[in-house]
Amino acid sequence: GENVEQHPSTLSVQEGDSAVIKCTYSDSASNYFPWYKQELGKRPQLIIDIRSNVGEKKDQRIAVTLNKTAKHFSLHITETQPEDSAVYFCAASYQGGSYIPTFGRGTSLIVHP
Amino acid sequence: NAGVTQTPKFQVLKTGQSMTLQCAQDMNHNSMYWYRQDPGMGLRLIYYSASEGTTDKGEVPNGYNVSRLNKREFSLRLESAAPSQTSVYFCASSELTDTQYFGPGTRLTVL
Repeated sequence: GENVEQHPSTLSVQEGDSAVIKCTYSDSASNYFPWYKQELGKRPQLIIDIRSNVGEKKDQRIAVTLNKTAKHFSLHITETQPEDSAVYFCAASYQGGSYIPTFGRGTSLIVHP
Repeated sequence: NAGVTQTPKFQVLKTGQSMTLQCAQDMNHNSMYWYRQDPGMGLRLIYYSASEGTTDKGEVPNGYNVSRLNKREFSLRLESAAPSQTSVYFCASSELTDTQYFGPGTRLTVL
């Protein structure tokens, strides 16, 4: 089955810095890669996703890049703000098939004012 | 739309007691999931239901049972609770394996 590794487990940055979280996956058939943000005490919610037919996607201060050859994808947050502090999860799945999503273990991002 | 709802929000059980966690979604999704979340372990899949009438084991199914009551509802049952089942439980739904929508979670403590 699919295996997703996520690094780092904890990331501490100063407000205004950039943050990068990386994930690798094992199954080359995976074609859908979402990122979820979970604030303290809340439910995970989708913030951005990318499908295998594109290499990069941006939404304001967040972007995701995908390298299918190397089987890794990354979340980039620019100009971080204290409200970006949360746990971020990556996931991989085969969209439209029988593969269930596999999640990374999460990255706790702390943005210091 | 309420999205995904879960009951109860909090529960304290004694070892050996049983309980059922309820989940419902109003997005007409075919797939529903139950996860547990423990510190440092991410989201681990307990059971899932790819469509009404089917259920399958996930990564950590031992000690749990599920019922897909209809397309909207997917319940998780602990027959004899153990302290190792102390966790936060999330229900989620999706269309096939697309974006997952999570419920608010149930915080369960087993004494």
